[in-house]
Amino acid sequence: DADVTQTPRNRITKTGKRIMLECSQTKGHDRMYWYRQDPGLGLRLIYYSFDVKDINKGEISDGYSVSRQAQAKFSLSLESAIPNQTALYFCATSDPGTPPGELFFGEGSRLTVL
Amino acid sequence: LAKTTQPISMDSYEGQEVNITCSHNNIATNDYITWYQQFPSQGPRFIIQGYKTKVTNEVASLFIPADRKSSTLSLPRVSLSDTAVYYCLVGGLNTGGFKTIFGAGTRLFVKA
Repeated sequence: DADVTQTPRNRITKTGKRIMLECSQTKGHDRMYWYRQDPGLGLRLIYYSFDVKDINKGEISDGYSVSRQAQAKFSLSLESAIPNQTALYFCATSDPGTPPGELFFGEGSRLTVL
Repeated sequence: LAKTTQPISMDSYEGQEVNITCSHNNIATNDYITWYQQFPSQGPRFIIQGYKTKVTNEVASLFIPADRKSSTLSLPRVSLSDTAVYYCLVGGLNTGGFKTIFGAGTRLFVKA
């Protein structure tokens, strides 16, 4: 089984719908992240959490919210999806004991907003 | 914010050494440089990380000059399975919070 699991792997929805992407990890890491990947743009940080009670905005947080339900679970919500949120979303974790930037990624959740 | 720039694509042949350079002129004091490999339908996978000078592990080397404004990932003797997209990442915990700046990726194609 994967150390970082994302659900759903693929989702097609309509403009205005609420969408939640879920992430769970078995690595025991305190730090969790949500990234968005668009063709030709690399990955951009949406939100990050360094522990259960810590939530921080990243580079592109507008239109997104997150919830850290437990050390192992970090979910990303789109309250009212719009077409330009069509992208590949990745959850990642890291261990605070290593230098920042050594990230362990899930397999990705492909979201299409029509 | 640091901006990372890397070539869009590179071609190589099996058995050759491949060097991919990333430019990051505005790197911050606390930023580390990390390289990732990504295959289709998978998440990026860590290759190597460094702060300055040279770092080597079992799969790659990372060269960082003294001014840290660029870095070069070196893949020795590539094989067909090294065909992938390679991302340079500059990031760390600085004043203002945690930031990660990914490059747009270099698509490496290894030919037989």
